[in-house]
Amino acid sequence: AQSVTQLDSHVSVSEGTPVLLRCNYSSSYSPSLFWYVQHPNKGLQLLLKYTSAATLVKGINGFEAEFKKSETSFHLTKPSAHMSDAAEYFCVVSDRMYNNDMRFGAGTRLTVKP
Amino acid sequence: KAGVTQTPRYLIKTRGQQVTLSCSPISGHRSVSWYQQTPGQGLQFLFEYFSETQRNKGNFPGRFSGRQFSNSRSEMNVSTLELGDSALYLCASSLAGQGNYNEQFFGPGTRLTVL
Repeated sequence: AQSVTQLDSHVSVSEGTPVLLRCNYSSSYSPSLFWYVQHPNKGLQLLLKYTSAATLVKGINGFEAEFKKSETSFHLTKPSAHMSDAAEYFCVVSDRMYNNDMRFGAGTRLTVKP
Repeated sequence: KAGVTQTPRYLIKTRGQQVTLSCSPISGHRSVSWYQQTPGQGLQFLFEYFSETQRNKGNFPGRFSGRQFSNSRSEMNVSTLELGDSALYLCASSLAGQGNYNEQFFGPGTRLTVL
C-alpha cells in the first residue's frame, strides 16, 4: 500500500525567501503524486501533479516539485514566499492513475512572516 | 462551471444520532470521493463512488456509508454518532473516465460537531 511522510509539520519563512516543503513517499507501483493546499476554512486546491511525465513539475502560484525516484521524494519549492502562501500543504500519493484511493500526508503548515 | 458543493456547511449532533451529508459534484463528473479530516488523524479516505457503485473503500467502520444517485450527487451517512466522528468531511469529484487522469476537485466541506 502507498503512504506519504511529510517531514515537517510546520515551516516558517520570511516573505520573499524560498520555500521548501519536504515529502517522501512509499509506493508499490509507479505512483502519481500531488500537492494540495488548504487555506483556513476552505477546501483543498490542487497545486501540481506528477503522473510519470516530466520529473520537474510546475504548478500554480509559482510552486514546483521534483520527482526523485531514487530518493522516493517529491519536495515542493517556491523561490520567493508571499504572505498569501500561508496555508496547510498536503502531499498525496496514489498508486494507480485511475484509482481515487489517495493517501494524504499529515500536512505541513506554512507560516510566512512579513 | 459551478464547483463542488456540500450541504450543510455546519452541523451539530449528539451522540447516538445519525447524520446525512450531501455532495453535488461538478457537472459531468461521475466520481465522488469522501474524506474525513481531523486534527489527530489528518485526512483519511472514506470511500469513492462511480456510476452509483462504491468503487473503493477506506478503513472505516460500517457506521459510515454512502450512496450515489444517477445524477452523480452523493450522500454520506454516519449512524450512531460518536464524539470521535467530529470532523470536517470533504467531498471531491473527478471525471474518472477511462484513460483520464483523475484530478480531484474538492468542496468546502461539512463541519460536523458531535456533542
